[in-house]
Amino acid sequence: SQTIHQWPATLVQPVGSPLSLECTVEGTSNPNLYWYRQAAGRGLQLLFYSVGIGQISSEVPQNLSASRPQDRQFILSSKKLLLSDSGFYLCACLGDEKLFFGSGTQLSVL
Amino acid sequence: GESVGLHLPTLSVQEGDNSIINCAYSNSASDYFIWYKQESGKGPQFIIDIRSNMDKRQGQRVTVLLNKTVKHLSLQIAATQPGDSAVYFCAERAGYALNFGKGTSLLVTP
Repeated sequence: SQTIHQWPATLVQPVGSPLSLECTVEGTSNPNLYWYRQAAGRGLQLLFYSVGIGQISSEVPQNLSASRPQDRQFILSSKKLLLSDSGFYLCACLGDEKLFFGSGTQLSVL
Repeated sequence: GESVGLHLPTLSVQEGDNSIINCAYSNSASDYFIWYKQESGKGPQFIIDIRSNMDKRQGQRVTVLLNKTVKHLSLQIAATQPGDSAVYFCAERAGYALNFGKGTSLLVTP
């Protein structure tokens, strides 16, 4: 079964600074990969998904971007963070019709 | 916007009692549903799933019921334990991804 690695676990960044969150997957090939964001006390909002290298679909207009430079690597980025970018970011991989999630990154933008 | 919602944001039950968490969905074409459990600071974990051609599915101490007539989904947890305390999300398949509801916080009291 697949294993999803996300880092860092927590991150505090000033407004206007750049962001790079990395997600890597083991135990599968050519997976569908996803970035979700979860605001405090809220559900999960889909930000991006990718069905293959270089293929990115964006679900909501926002200050973030995603890239998939390798089959099992998915990166979430921003050039300039906003306060509203704070939240819990989760990477996920589709397997057997289910989403399997990483451990998440708690991002605080101050 | 979200097409999956939950009736109750919080639920408090005594240890040993049965818990029932409810979820409403709006897309009558949804054919696959999943329940996830999320503990504080962690990514959601798969609990149980059900397809639209079924109305009930049982796992270990958990049962999911699907009522397509009223577009309602429920998760039943038998003999609730302190380790069941978490936020529970229902999700419906939507194209390549899953749409999640806001979640129900389950608190198990001794």
